[in-house]
Amino acid sequence: QVQLKESGPGLVKPSETLSLTCTVSGASMRNYYWSWIRQPAGKGLEWIGRIHGSGNTNYKPSLQSRVSMSLDTSKNQFSLNLSSVTAADTAVYYCASFRYDGDSFYPDDHWGQGTLVTVSS
Amino acid sequence: DIVVTQSPDSLAVSLGERATINCKSSHSVLQTNNKNSLAWYQQKPGQPPKVLIYWASTRASGVPDRFSGSGSGTDFTLTISSLQAEDVALYYCQQYYSAPRAFGQGTKVEIK
Repeated sequence: QVQLKESGPGLVKPSETLSLTCTVSGASMRNYYWSWIRQPAGKGLEWIGRIHGSGNTNYKPSLQSRVSMSLDTSKNQFSLNLSSVTAADTAVYYCASFRYDGDSFYPDDHWGQGTLVTVSS
Repeated sequence: DIVVTQSPDSLAVSLGERATINCKSSHSVLQTNNKNSLAWYQQKPGQPPKVLIYWASTRASGVPDRFSGSGSGTDFTLTISSLQAEDVALYYCQQYYSAPRAFGQGTKVEIK
């Protein structure tokens, strides 16, 4: 069973870079896709992007200029960096995973518990 | 990018009654293998979303059979056949046909 856990600063200053890490257990990172999804308080879910175990990435176009994702398979971790943050980036950030079975992709079916990041001076 | 729209934003249903949520995709999510890349999630307060339905109509493991999904192409429905107290939650649809993946805006289900 895939388990994920987010970690990182809960408070980030405006214009700085938000950095989060997701630690994975129960799965080989190379065989899955790893997502970041966020949810502002009282609002809906926003897909930020994903990285494959090979390192291939895909980002939401409206965030692409500020987002980067990476992974460290030796530590079973993948990371999110979001630069030039504003108050609008305040949200609960989730890491999640999905798979591809050679024929079809699957939905994000394993999620971390989420971590609240507040952007404020 | 595919845009996903849900309706209604909220609904209140009596215990034991049927609840229906609709989801519309701006582009067909029907794959060449005849599977619709559309999932339904349930989210309770303080918890991450949980997959209820994938391939538009396949229940995830452990999901009660009062939850069912239907539809194809661009129009989909989640039905809770007999609402239980534990079903009070937010429900989201998601297209995973193409990147960027997208969620509907969510539907809040409450007890009348």
